[in-house]
Amino acid sequence: GQQVMQIPQYQHVQEGEDFTTYCNSSTTLSNIQWYKQRPGGHPVFLIQLVKSGEVKKQKRLTFQFGEAKKNSSLHITATQTTDVGTYFCAGPTYGGATNKLIFGTGTLLAVQP
Amino acid sequence: NAGVTQTPKFQVLKTGQSMTLQCAQDMNHNSMYWYRQDPGMGLRLIYYSASEGTTDKGEVPNGYNVSRLNKREFSLRLESAAPSQTSVYFCASSRQGADWAQYFGPGTRLTVL
Repeated sequence: GQQVMQIPQYQHVQEGEDFTTYCNSSTTLSNIQWYKQRPGGHPVFLIQLVKSGEVKKQKRLTFQFGEAKKNSSLHITATQTTDVGTYFCAGPTYGGATNKLIFGTGTLLAVQP
Repeated sequence: NAGVTQTPKFQVLKTGQSMTLQCAQDMNHNSMYWYRQDPGMGLRLIYYSASEGTTDKGEVPNGYNVSRLNKREFSLRLESAAPSQTSVYFCASSRQGADWAQYFGPGTRLTVL
C-alpha cells in the first residue's frame, strides 16, 4: 500500500545548528503538507506545496517539493529551542479524495540550549 | 473562534466498556476526521467524513463507529473497548478548496485497562 516515510526518526542538535528532515512517498503526490506537533500538543499545519520543484520559506524554515513530486524536505536554519517537536509530512491518499491524507512517520527534533 | 474542540481530554476505561468521543468545529468546514496516534506510529486515520451525511473508513476502522451529527459535530464511538485502543485520539477538520490544511483538536488521551 501507499507509504510515506520520513528520515531521520530523531535528531538532536545544539541550538544554532541547522536541521533537515526528508519525506519520501511510494507514489506521486498532488500536493504535500507539513505539520508540527509540540510535545504533548496537537499537530499544527505549517504549509502546503503543490508544484513540482516548489520552494517556500517561512522565516528560518525552507520547504521543498521534489521535481517528481514524490519527495519533500524541511530545512530549519539556526535552530532555536522553540523549534522542538515532531515534524510530519502528509500527502493525499493515492486515487482517493484529495482531503484524505496519509501522514509520514515523523521526525522528532530535540534542541539543546 | 474555538476552532476544533474535543471532549473529554482524558479517559480511563475498563476492557469491554463503551464510550463516545465528541468533536465539534466552528470553522464551517465540510470535512472532518478521526485519527489515533500511538508512540512511533505517527497519525493513522480511523474514519473521515467528506461532508455532512457521509462517512468512510480510514486505515484502522475496526472497533470504532462514527456519526456525523451535523456539519459541526463528528463523534467516535468505541462499543467494547480493548487495551489495544489505548491511544491519543485527535479530531480534525478541513475546508475544500486550494488549501486542504487540516486543523486539529487538542486530543483525547484514552487508557483502556
